[in-house]
Amino acid sequence: DAGVIQSPRHEVTEMGQEVTLRCKPISGHDYLFWYRQTMMRGLELLIYFNNNVPIDDSGMPEDRFSAKMPNASFSTLKIQPSEPRDSAVYFCASSLTRPYGGYTFGSGTRLTVV
Amino acid sequence: SQQGEEDPQALSIQEGENATMNCSYKTSINNLQWYRQNSGRGLVHLILIRSNEREKHSGRLRVTLDTSKKSSSLLITASRAADTASYFCATDASQAGTALIFGKGTTLSVSS
Repeated sequence: DAGVIQSPRHEVTEMGQEVTLRCKPISGHDYLFWYRQTMMRGLELLIYFNNNVPIDDSGMPEDRFSAKMPNASFSTLKIQPSEPRDSAVYFCASSLTRPYGGYTFGSGTRLTVV
Repeated sequence: SQQGEEDPQALSIQEGENATMNCSYKTSINNLQWYRQNSGRGLVHLILIRSNEREKHSGRLRVTLDTSKKSSSLLITASRAADTASYFCATDASQAGTALIFGKGTTLSVSS
């Protein structure tokens, strides 16, 4: 298995632009998580899905952020409009069993908003 | 909000020495997990210890859990330069419908 695949690896965009981050979880995993990592705040949970259904989106910072999971093999995290404070590394992770399973993380998308 | 808090924030040791990292958390948990993150990479799951377990081993890793003190420790024995990374504890809270909450991590530097 290729693991959790995220794209792009790096994204540099101007303030106000729309940004879309993509994630392909491990086949068969029924949980998908989006986290954001910054030096100041560490790893923050943004949203997670179970069987493609959003379960907890309380970590989504504001309405500028949205996430979808149209099928079991694909999820997107969209920021519109982007702001400099959104600059961070965004990780997608998936899990087969919960709560007793470990998560498999992707390599992350480093987002820079200028 | 952070559930787990690691201590120390940074640790520098020589190859061959043991490294101990601690994690404290606040609420009841189902299990506690440790992850490693190499610079510029995603997190890698190392080990999971359930709330009814007190100690677990995996290779050179030893994890302890004290639920009465709400704390855990990760011991890496005979460290190697390749162990240089950040280490995070993550708690799976007992409350239904929650995902893993991560601490801010301990940065370990192992020099040869």
